Order: sequence, then C-alpha cells, then structure tokens
Amino acid sequence: GAGVSQTPSNKVTEKGKYVELRCDPISGHTALYWYRQSLGQGPEFLIYFQGTGAADDSGLPNDRFFAVRPEGSVSTLKIQRTERGDSAVYLCASSLTGTSGGRNTGELFFGEGSRLTVL
Amino acid sequence: AQKITQTQPGMFVQEKEAVTLDCTYDTSDPSYGLFWYKQPSSGEMIFLIYQGSYDQQNATEGRYSLNFQKARKSANLVISASQLGDSAMYFCAMRARSNFGNEKLTFGTGTRLTIIP
Repeated sequence: GAGVSQTPSNKVTEKGKYVELRCDPISGHTALYWYRQSLGQGPEFLIYFQGTGAADDSGLPNDRFFAVRPEGSVSTLKIQRTERGDSAVYLCASSLTGTSGGRNTGELFFGEGSRLTVL
Repeated sequence: AQKITQTQPGMFVQEKEAVTLDCTYDTSDPSYGLFWYKQPSSGEMIFLIYQGSYDQQNATEGRYSLNFQKARKSANLVISASQLGDSAMYFCAMRARSNFGNEKLTFGTGTRLTIIP
C-alpha cells in the first residue's frame, strides 16, 4: 500500500515477555518516528530515525525499549520484560526528509498503530 | 523545550454550527510549524491543516481554518458548518527543533469533539 503500515495491529502479552512491533514507512521517506499514545492522551515522542541511525532517542522511557532501522526503511520497536504500564497504542510515522523548508511542511504521515496490552 | 496546551478536554456542538478548538504553544525555536490532526475512533491520525511560523496569512483547508495569533502563541482550529462526521479527537501539534537538532512533532493532550444532531 501507499501508506505507513504497522504490524501487528493488536498484541496481547503477559508481563515480563518480549515484544516486537514493526513499521513499514512510505517508500522514499527517510525520516521515521515512533510515538506512544496512552488512553486519553496525545501521542508522546519516543524515537526518531534519519536513514538507518537513531538521531534522537530522548523519548525512550528506559533501557527496556529499543528500536532499529537496519536498512533505512522498515523499523522494529523492541520492548523487553514488558510491564503493565507499557500498555498503549504505539504509532509509527514517516516524513519525506525529517526537515521542513520551502513547500515542504515536514508533515508526518501516521500508521494506524499497534495496540499493545500487557496483562 | 516545546510545549503544546489544549485546555478543552471535551466539547459538544450542535450540527451545522461553527466550533473553535483552542491551542497554545511555547517554543524558543523561531522557525516552527503548527499542525492539527483528527483522530476518529478507528485510531488513525488524519492531517487537517498546517501553519508555518513565517506564514503571513492564516491557513485554510475547506471547512477548516487556523486562527494563528503569533504574539499570543495561539493556533486555534475553526471548523465551519460542523458535521456528524467531525466527531473525533483533535490534536494540535508543533514541529520545532529539539535539543538534538532534529525536528519533531510535539502533541497536545487533545480535545474530544462531539457533534450533536
């Protein structure tokens, strides 16, 4: 498809388990973002990739969270030793360059999210 | 640090009336952008409208307009002639440069808009 694709759409796991969430951005978009949205809240920034490198990981809550983007396209968000507080919708977004200028607004295009429930 | 404030957790509006959703922001970056996104119950984030900090005129997109008051640091969304399909969460977001030098979007807490038939 032409949009940002995220899998799985829903994931239920038990406390302490390991989880991977996948994001396939829009083809040609070099910038990729992960956000976390808790119930009733706005999305909170987790990490930003420019190409293969994590240019800003200041939003990752702790070292149980890690993300990779080895070939500069698909990204995987990895959560170790999941806790109930990790339950949220994890949103992935991509943008053309990650910067704005001229007619480029720097708009982010979002996937439909992966809903994670930790029991 | 960037901050977005939406002070209206919920609003109820009669169908066909206009509605204004409030948004104020704070940033030290002189070059920034303001976005409004709509999030229906399905969960997808739908881009509505954009305003750049150096744009002289208020942005408009169909029934959506952005009331940009730079000195007051406000960027309110105005929806004219509201429709039942406008019922959703609405998020104001700001694109600004982070301490790491990259641009990122910071979101407000959102306003849940309900249109009453």
